[in-house]
Amino acid sequence: KAGVTQTPRYLIKTRGQQVTLSCSPISGHRSVSWYQQTPGQGLQFLFEYFSETQRNKGNFPGRFSGRQFSNSRSEMNVSTLELGDSALYLCASKRMAGGGNEQFFGPGTRLTVL
Amino acid sequence: GESVGLHLPTLSVQEGDNSIINCAYSNSASDYFIWYKQESGKGPQFIIDIRSNMDKRQGQRVTVLLNKTVKHLSLQIAATQPGDSAVYFCAENSGSGNTGKLIFGQGTTLQVKP
Repeated sequence: KAGVTQTPRYLIKTRGQQVTLSCSPISGHRSVSWYQQTPGQGLQFLFEYFSETQRNKGNFPGRFSGRQFSNSRSEMNVSTLELGDSALYLCASKRMAGGGNEQFFGPGTRLTVL
Repeated sequence: GESVGLHLPTLSVQEGDNSIINCAYSNSASDYFIWYKQESGKGPQFIIDIRSNMDKRQGQRVTVLLNKTVKHLSLQIAATQPGDSAVYFCAENSGSGNTGKLIFGQGTTLQVKP
């Protein structure tokens, strides 16, 4: 069974640009969550999507947004990039209904903002 | 606000010894806790979880202990192996594990000496 996949794995952008990251959850998983990981702040929750609806949101500015498609695949977007947005962005999926509580993480997208 | 913290940033143990990694949390409403392992260049990997109605849970070579009175969580790894070298995170969920929102601690780096 394929795990959570994220594309691209690495990305370099400049300040002011915008970026879109993609996540494909494990087949049958309907919840997708996004996290930002930095050396200073650690792992921080961005948002969770379930059935194409955002149902939890972390404390990030509105420049961070996301969406989920009918096949449960998810994208997150960051607009007007800042240097501080450089981080590893992790996606995690969860089965929900009838499944366990485990969240499975993808390998992440390493975003560097210059 | 919510926070989950670990007592030590780095733990160094001899191969074959037992390891104990500690975590303190502050949210009394937390009812589901998880330990993750993250190796370099990879996303966090689920190790073991525990609900707040339990005080101990065992897996393969790992045991999680939960003390709700002092809001403390620990991960015990028996017969530590070089492959156990990684960063370990505790995480908390206040929705009984039914949502994807996890609050992570800062992480403890486990170094296993041969």
